Amino acid sequence: TQLLEQSPQFLSIQEGENLTVYCNSSSVFSSLQWYRQEPGEGPVLLVTVVTGGEVKKLKRLTFQFGDARKDSSLHITAAQPGDTGLYLCAGTMDSNYQLIWGAGTKLIIKP
Amino acid sequence: DSGVTQTPKHLITATGQRVTLRCSPRSGDLSVYWYQQSLDQGLQFLIQYYNGEERAKGNILERFSAQQFPDLHSELNLSSLELGDSALYFCASSARQDGIYGYTFGSGTRLTVV
Repeated sequence: TQLLEQSPQFLSIQEGENLTVYCNSSSVFSSLQWYRQEPGEGPVLLVTVVTGGEVKKLKRLTFQFGDARKDSSLHITAAQPGDTGLYLCAGTMDSNYQLIWGAGTKLIIKP
Repeated sequence: DSGVTQTPKHLITATGQRVTLRCSPRSGDLSVYWYQQSLDQGLQFLIQYYNGEERAKGNILERFSAQQFPDLHSELNLSSLELGDSALYFCASSARQDGIYGYTFGSGTRLTVV
């Protein structure tokens, strides 16, 4: 059983559409990170959120940490083909600093 | 360039063989993590080293071993290779900033066992 559940597992949409992907858990996390991985490359850190209810924006990407620090979402506005990739969430718990990873959402943006 | 260097980028070998994957962490980072990623799957944590000492173990097979050297580079040794070991192997290093550990990944080594 994954401690961090990501949904959907796969999403294919047209350029220009909006989308939201989710990272959910029944456990509380002290921080949560989002990474994007392109084919054949390593994941790249996009953002870290640490405060319940926190919202961070990175151009067309909006990241939110749930009030209870058990879940997070990533919203992309006007998706572009360059957004294509595997989006991974990873969290740390107060008990230790090891990253716990979700299985990822594979996103394809069609031109 | 992320600052984490992995070699080789590609490796093709036969079943039963042994290979060594190498990783140089980002300058100043003391922690090295090894991950395995099979096709279209998430990251599976294998092992972590911190300043030469093993810090944490994940789902690492007994056929696999790792070490971190005094210059902080790390090697992952995979032996008695099986077809199912074919995967991308990533190394990451981490640094603490504002109390948070952010991981920087290398580009990975793609291992194909035939």
